[in-house]
Amino acid sequence: DARVTQTPRHKVTEMGQEVTMRCQPILGHNTVFWYRQTMMQGLELLAYFRNRAPLDDSGMPKDRFSAEMPDATLATLKIQPSEPRDSAVYFCASGLGGRGEQFFGPGTRLTVL
Amino acid sequence: RKEVEQDPGPFNVPEGATVAFNCTYSNSASQSFFWYRQDCRKEPKLLMSVYSSGNEDGRFTAQLNRASQYISLLIRDSKLSDSATYLCAVNTGTDKLIFGTGTRLQVFP
Repeated sequence: DARVTQTPRHKVTEMGQEVTMRCQPILGHNTVFWYRQTMMQGLELLAYFRNRAPLDDSGMPKDRFSAEMPDATLATLKIQPSEPRDSAVYFCASGLGGRGEQFFGPGTRLTVL
Repeated sequence: RKEVEQDPGPFNVPEGATVAFNCTYSNSASQSFFWYRQDCRKEPKLLMSVYSSGNEDGRFTAQLNRASQYISLLIRDSKLSDSATYLCAVNTGTDKLIFGTGTRLQVFP
C-alpha cells in the first residue's frame, strides 16, 4: 500500500529552536509539495519540487524556512529559528505532476512555545 | 476574490439525506478538478477526480460546469461516517493544486 510518510508526527519545541520535518514521497512520484494548514488560513502551499528541483517556494518565509530534496526518497522542510506563529500542521504531498492528483502524508503537528 | 471558494458550512443533515456542495473557481484556464475529504486531525484524502462529463462513485457524484466555473459534489443517502470537511482542488495547468478552505458536513442520526 503506497503512501507518503512523514516524521515526526508531532513536535513541540521552544521559540528559537530549529525544526526539521521529513517526508518520503510515494515511490515513482516526481513531484513533492509542502503545505501548511491552520484554522485561519486553510491549506497553504509553501514549496514544491519536480524531479528534486525546487520550482516554487514563493509561499515560504525565506528568512527562516528552507526546503530541500537531497534524494528522490527524501524531502525536508526546516525552520530556523522557529516562532510561535509557525505552529500549524505541515503536510507533504506527492504526485506524478502535470494535472494529476496529489496524495498527502499524515502531517507533522508543530507547536512552538 | 479567492481563486477557489467554498461555503464553509457547516451543513447539518440527517442520515439518509442528499446533500450537495459547490465550489467556484476564478481561473477559466483551470484544467483539472478534485474533491478531497479531510477528517478531523487527519490529512486530506482524495475522494474523486472531476471529469468534464461528470462522474459517479457509489453514493458520490461529481459534476463540472465550465460555463459557470464551478464544480459540485453530491452525496446521496448520507451516512454518519460521511461527516468530514470536503475540500475542492483546482489545477490551473501547472503541477500545483489550489485548494478551497473546505465545507464541513455533519451527518446526525
